[in-house]
Amino acid sequence: GQQLNQSPQSMFIQEGEDVSMNCTSSSIFNTWLWYKQDPGEGPVLLIALYKAGELTSNGRLTAQFGITRKDSFLNISASIPSDVGIYFCAGGTQGGSNYKLTFGKGTLLTVNP
Amino acid sequence: DVKVTQSSRYLVKRTGEKVFLECVQDMDHENMFWYRQDPGLGLRLIYFSYDVKMKEKGDIPEGYSVSREKKERFSLILESASTNQTSMYLCASSLNLAGGWRYEQYFGPGTRLTVT
Repeated sequence: GQQLNQSPQSMFIQEGEDVSMNCTSSSIFNTWLWYKQDPGEGPVLLIALYKAGELTSNGRLTAQFGITRKDSFLNISASIPSDVGIYFCAGGTQGGSNYKLTFGKGTLLTVNP
Repeated sequence: DVKVTQSSRYLVKRTGEKVFLECVQDMDHENMFWYRQDPGLGLRLIYFSYDVKMKEKGDIPEGYSVSREKKERFSLILESASTNQTSMYLCASSLNLAGGWRYEQYFGPGTRLTVT
């Protein structure tokens, strides 16, 4: 089946630093989503991307839908302690019974104040 | 805001018990999903439903069943709980617009189930 490779697996950064993480696949996706999960909670949707090449921002977060449709990137600028959590990418395909999202395994972000 | 609620945050059950996990969404979404989340394995889809009384198997349906009698409610049933079903269970919902799916899924807070 489809698989997403999310990297890095974990990051330890200082408050104020910028962060980059990405997801890659050998499969093409028509949709890329980015979620954040706090400990003991469900994932919260951060950004949704529907067009190849699309660049979308949500506050200090910026995500891009790769032009090949096989990858996506998430950047966090000027990190703060509440950015701590696990960030997941998810790729979606459309048409027929291909309804579902394929999730990456997550990037654990730790921010040192 | 979309709100997805799950009946319990924490649950402890014994092996062999029948377990019901309930999920309710208040945004009139057509699609509802059940996932389990395990360290190192990520989120895995158990079942989903795109309409009342409709259900489709996900990637790991064995040992589980589901029920969707009302649009807002989706239940996950463990017929006979086993220790390998100890996990975090997440419910999600999404909207189905005319002309195609919206892939944004909105998650509940999760139920951490321990089977002893």
